[in-house]
Amino acid sequence: DGGITQSPKYLFRKEGQNVTLSCEQNLNHDAMYWYRQDPGQGLRLIYYSQIVNDFQKGDIAEGYSVSREKKESFPLTVTSAQKNPTAFYLCASSRLLGSNQPQHFGDGTRLSIL
Amino acid sequence: DQQVKQNSPSLSVQEGRISILNCDYTNSMFDYFLWYKKYPAEGPTFLISISSIKDKNEDGRFTVFLNKSAKHLSLHIVPSQPGDSAVYFCAASGQTGANNLFFGTGTRLTVIP
Repeated sequence: DGGITQSPKYLFRKEGQNVTLSCEQNLNHDAMYWYRQDPGQGLRLIYYSQIVNDFQKGDIAEGYSVSREKKESFPLTVTSAQKNPTAFYLCASSRLLGSNQPQHFGDGTRLSIL
Repeated sequence: DQQVKQNSPSLSVQEGRISILNCDYTNSMFDYFLWYKKYPAEGPTFLISISSIKDKNEDGRFTVFLNKSAKHLSLHIVPSQPGDSAVYFCAASGQTGANNLFFGTGTRLTVIP
């Protein structure tokens, strides 16, 4: 089955610690995205990548970092500089061929602070 | 600044009746609009989309209407079923080349059996 896999489903971070959230897709999609959802809010874009070895900041990139070494993988690191990391993190992917391609989402990782 | 707005945080509808979810946007450069459905602790699932060159798109029980002059779109679900109970997000994108989406804050739909 094609899809997007995020792991782990739940993650706990200690103060001052960096944590990495995994996102893998086997849809052969070119573009991948990371969003953050807070209670009662919509999804906000953290980072996106259109192609391997290239990525761009979204609206709320501060305190986060990403890499895109493989087409299938787009891990997100929540660094100690992110002062309010508790949230639900969603990874998505889409085709870039043509225009107007829907994004498809994984099931998310819930990050909490210990 | 919220460029996509869903002003109704919740909506309750009887099973079999029509559900109408509304969405407004401010950016006239948006040319592609989508609706997603989300269950708790899961990622959003793509439902239906519409390009700005159309004013209606239909897929089974789901129809999306776009009024560009009013910068307004709506999702109609008919007939509503209890399994439709979820949070519905409206999203929009412009011609950025990366299909970046701007999301509304969601409307929680409850379909009462």
